[in-house]
Amino acid sequence: GQQVMQIPQYQHVQEGEDFTTYCNSSTTLSNIQWYKQRPGGHPVFLIQLVKSGEVKKQKRLTFQFGEAKKNSSLHITATQTTDVGTYFCAGPVYDTGNQFYFGTGTSLTVIP
Amino acid sequence: NAGVMQNPRHLVRRRGQEARLRCSPMKGHSHVYWYRQLPEEGLKFMVYLQKENIIDESGMPKERFSAEFPKEGPSILRIQQVVRGDSAAYFCASSPRRLSYNEQFFGPGTRLTVL
Repeated sequence: GQQVMQIPQYQHVQEGEDFTTYCNSSTTLSNIQWYKQRPGGHPVFLIQLVKSGEVKKQKRLTFQFGEAKKNSSLHITATQTTDVGTYFCAGPVYDTGNQFYFGTGTSLTVIP
Repeated sequence: NAGVMQNPRHLVRRRGQEARLRCSPMKGHSHVYWYRQLPEEGLKFMVYLQKENIIDESGMPKERFSAEFPKEGPSILRIQQVVRGDSAAYFCASSPRRLSYNEQFFGPGTRLTVL
């Protein structure tokens, strides 16, 4: 069945260090979306990437969508304590669109 | 513009009881998705509904679970004869169009605890 895996599962960084989470899908995705979920909270949309090889930046966050549209990454430069949370990638399998598959998530802890 | 609303925020049920979870999508959104999140896990798709139609329920258990999105009123996820394994956070999300092309907006979730 369809799987969307993320690595690492957990990441602890010192404040100011960089952080990267990787997302890999077993099948091609129509697009990739990234969400952030704070502890006890709900997922909040961060960004959507649609094109193969697309790169987008939001301040300290850089998002990439792989050429084959099966993988993606989120990189945070100089982490801050406000970056704490779990980051999920998600997307619909190509040409279906009904089901939205969420990745397994990467939980980020930032040590002040 | 109010966001996605879910109620109740917390629900406690004893085994065998029924749980009803409500979701009011954002204004102008006619697509609703339900997800389940077990502790320390990701979100699992359950069902996708449009007004008065179930579009895809392939992620929903065949028994005890049902969902509806009537013409008027909120979308409802119903769990009959709850068991301890149903304890989880249930999130709904809405979008103005089919999800392939739009971000989804999540509600605050309903935390269900089955005693």
